[in-house]
Amino acid sequence: QVQLQESGPGLVKPSQTLSLTCTVSGGSMNSGGYYWTWIRQHPGKGLEYIGYIYDTGGTYYNPSLKSRLTMSVDTSQNHFSLRLNSVTAADTAVYFCARGVFGGGMDVWGHGTTVTVSS
Amino acid sequence: EIVLTQSPGTLSLSPGERATLSCRASQYISSSYLGWYQQKPGQAPRLLIYAASTRATGIPDRFSGSGSGTEFTLTIRRLEPEDFAVYYCQQGITFGPGTKVDIK
Repeated sequence: QVQLQESGPGLVKPSQTLSLTCTVSGGSMNSGGYYWTWIRQHPGKGLEYIGYIYDTGGTYYNPSLKSRLTMSVDTSQNHFSLRLNSVTAADTAVYFCARGVFGGGMDVWGHGTTVTVSS
Repeated sequence: EIVLTQSPGTLSLSPGERATLSCRASQYISSSYLGWYQQKPGQAPRLLIYAASTRATGIPDRFSGSGSGTEFTLTIRRLEPEDFAVYYCQQGITFGPGTKVDIK
């Protein structure tokens, strides 16, 4: 079955760029009917939608993060990525990637990766 | 911008009891895009319900979703020990703040 796995540095310095990759296994990203999302969860808090990307490269970004956010997709490598620049301590969170199904919610999630912003 | 409000914030129940969780939207939303997720400590969320009332693959039938317009409900018919968790509703890019179901 399809599995997602986040990867990237667990520690990022303030003002630098947070870069994460989500690798999809067990299925092809461009099989159609899906979008690929990033969601984060601040310590002890609820879920925050970061944005999503289609296999065609089209994106939607949370307006609150849009000015600092770039998502990309590489279907040949079956992964998608997130770059968040000018990070602050407020970006410290667990970052999840997930597969969204058109009309069907987000049905497959990665385990999440903890990112701490600290000098 | 749609705001989702969940109530109660915490629900204290015993195994075997029925849980009723509410999700209210600040404006009309299509049922097609309303989902419910379960999250346990240290784990990723798990999709329970999509399109307001359709159970996701592998979800037991003690979980059911209902509602339309601005009012949606997740019902857990008889709580099992593994059901004690936090539950989030979601519509589009918006999540509700969550309802924690804990053991009484």
